[in-house]
Amino acid sequence: AQKVTQAQTEISVVEKEDVTLDCVYETRDTTYYLFWYKQPPSGELVFLIRRNSFDEQNEISGRYSWNFQKSTSSFNFTITASQVVDSAVYFCALSEDNYGQNFVFGPGTRLSVLP
Amino acid sequence: DAGVTQSPTHLIKTRGQQVTLRCSPKSGHDTVSWYQQALGQGPQFIFQYYEEEERQRGNFPDRFSGHQFPNYSSELNVNALLLGDSALYLCASSLKGVPYEQYFGPGTRLTVT
Repeated sequence: AQKVTQAQTEISVVEKEDVTLDCVYETRDTTYYLFWYKQPPSGELVFLIRRNSFDEQNEISGRYSWNFQKSTSSFNFTITASQVVDSAVYFCALSEDNYGQNFVFGPGTRLSVLP
Repeated sequence: DAGVTQSPTHLIKTRGQQVTLRCSPKSGHDTVSWYQQALGQGPQFIFQYYEEEERQRGNFPDRFSGHQFPNYSSELNVNALLLGDSALYLCASSLKGVPYEQYFGPGTRLTVT
């Protein structure tokens, strides 16, 4: 069965600090997809990134970067020079399904960036 | 370009009642998925609709049912409401050929008293 663990329930940082959100997943499939979503107080989930199991290249998008390591089943997310607008709940998710029908989300990490 | 819309925004029901939640997908999308997000938890997959049929279902009882209309909009129905059904219900839409680009709506907050 697939499972996603986000061990950090809440993180608080001061603006401009770097912060890393951890995600560890479990799956028996060799083909799967990993995702990060942001949920601001408004409640709407915002897609941040998708990575398939065959692509272990790290990715950087502006202040965001992602580190995918199959050897440790981890897909960690780093925000560089955090800003107050980054405050939100961040979810890591896993899908084994080729049709994206059954996403499994982690419990989320609440990030508070203080001014 | 309208995104995913859901109605109503908030809803309060009494235990044992029935409720219907509605979702309109993003323009051009043909697939709708429903998720339940309890307070402080991640969303849990309920089911997905494509071509007006339920394609896959998560671990939810038959009290949860749905429907998709020819215009791709969808309804989620929950019968015999329990206190534990109180949650944020999220709808996500996608395009069949691009299943992983799911766009989420703002959700409907259901409170069962």
